[in-house]
Amino acid sequence: RKEVEQDPGPFNVPEGATVAFNCTYSNSASQSFFWYRQDCRKEPKLLMSVYSSGNEDGRFTAQLNRASQYISLLIRDSKLSDSATYLCVVNRGTDKLIFGTGTRLQVFP
Amino acid sequence: GAGVSQSPSNKVTEKGKDVELRCDPISGHTALYWYRQRLGQGLEFLIYFQGNSAPDKSGLPSDRFSAERTGESVSTLTIQRTQQEDSAVYLCASSSTFSETQYFGPGTRLLVL
Repeated sequence: RKEVEQDPGPFNVPEGATVAFNCTYSNSASQSFFWYRQDCRKEPKLLMSVYSSGNEDGRFTAQLNRASQYISLLIRDSKLSDSATYLCVVNRGTDKLIFGTGTRLQVFP
Repeated sequence: GAGVSQSPSNKVTEKGKDVELRCDPISGHTALYWYRQRLGQGLEFLIYFQGNSAPDKSGLPSDRFSAERTGESVSTLTIQRTQQEDSAVYLCASSSTFSETQYFGPGTRLLVL
C-alpha cells in the first residue's frame, strides 16, 4: 500500500462546477498535511496547508479527517486556470514529507 | 527573496556519460530533497538531506546515482553511466525543517540519447 494515495483522475469539469479530491495516508502519526498544485511542465507549488479544524482560502477548502486518515480539497466555482495536477502531501510521522502521485483536474469552458 | 535555483535547466547527454546536476536551496533551509519526475508521472523521491544528519538515500534507484551536500548549502546530484531511462525532470526542493513547506526549484530536464 502506498503511503499517500490519490485518485489520478482526470477529473473533467465545466467552469463553475464544484469538485472535490480525496487523499488517504497510511501513517497515523502524520502531523503535517498540504495540498500542492503542479501545472504542466512546471514545478509543484504550495496551494495550502491543511489544519485539523479545516481551513478555507477563497474558493478552496481543505479538510482533515484523522480518524479515517484522509484529507480532502474542495474547489468551488472552478475556473479554467484551476486546470492542473493537485498533489496531496503528508509527513511520515516525524520524518520527511511524502507526495502523492497527484490528481489531474481539467476545467473546460 | 531568492528561491531555489537549479542548473543546468536542460541537459542533453549521450548514454554512458556522467552528468552532474546542481541545486542551490533557499538560504537557511536545513532540509533539501531531490526528486525525479518522468513525463506524465508523479514525483519519485530520490534523496533527502537534513542538517548534519546522515542523508536518507532510500529512494536512489541504483548505485549509479549519488548526491552530496556541503553543510546547509549547495547540493549536487550525480548520475554515472547514464541510461535512456534516466531521462526525466530532476527537481530539488528545500524547506526550513523536515516537515515544513517545501519550495521547489524549476528543475533540470535531462535527456539521455
